[in-house]
Amino acid sequence: AQSVTQLDSQVPVFEEAPVELRCNYSSSVSVYLFWYVQYPNQGLQLLLKYLSGSTLVESINGFEAEFNKSQTSFHLRKPSVHISDTAEYFCAVKSQGNLIFGKGTKLSVKP
Amino acid sequence: DAGVIQSPRHEVTEMGQEVTLRCKPISGHDYLFWYRQTMMRGLELLIYFNNNVPIDDSGMPEDRFSAKMPNASFSTLKIQPSEPRDSAVYFCASSLSGSGNTIYFGEGSWLTVV
Repeated sequence: AQSVTQLDSQVPVFEEAPVELRCNYSSSVSVYLFWYVQYPNQGLQLLLKYLSGSTLVESINGFEAEFNKSQTSFHLRKPSVHISDTAEYFCAVKSQGNLIFGKGTKLSVKP
Repeated sequence: DAGVIQSPRHEVTEMGQEVTLRCKPISGHDYLFWYRQTMMRGLELLIYFNNNVPIDDSGMPEDRFSAKMPNASFSTLKIQPSEPRDSAVYFCASSLSGSGNTIYFGEGSWLTVV
């Protein structure tokens, strides 16, 4: 069975600092990996996804994630965070049409 | 384009009452999902449909929960009778078939059972 582990439940960071949100998955088959973001009191929005090809994928707001097959990881990074990046971030793997989510990481950006 | 539309956005009900949550998926999408989010358990898949047919309902907590999809543009999730432990945010989501296709989420229905 596929599963997703997000190693950090909360990540506090100062504005303009770099951040990495960690995600590991387990799967015996080819995977499709996703990062979703949930702002307070809102639904989930797709941030970026890996399907195939280049292992580095980027979002329009400066986040990037790298698919590492040997380490079964899909960590999310941003070189310089903003207050507006404060949200909960969910890593997910696609399985038989459905998404299996990690428990989420709450990113808190402080001024 | 309109996204996934859910109603009601917020509902407070008394224990024992029937609750019906509604969802309109994105037009043309053939997969529809119902998720539940709580602090304790995170995001859980309750049930999903493909072409209006339930494919996997193993996440439905118990017989008090039921979901229907009478047509391609409408689905309901019903809880009868409701209990305080059902308090959660319920998300509806939809997607096109294809493993790489994105699943799009609605804004959620925030349910409180008192």
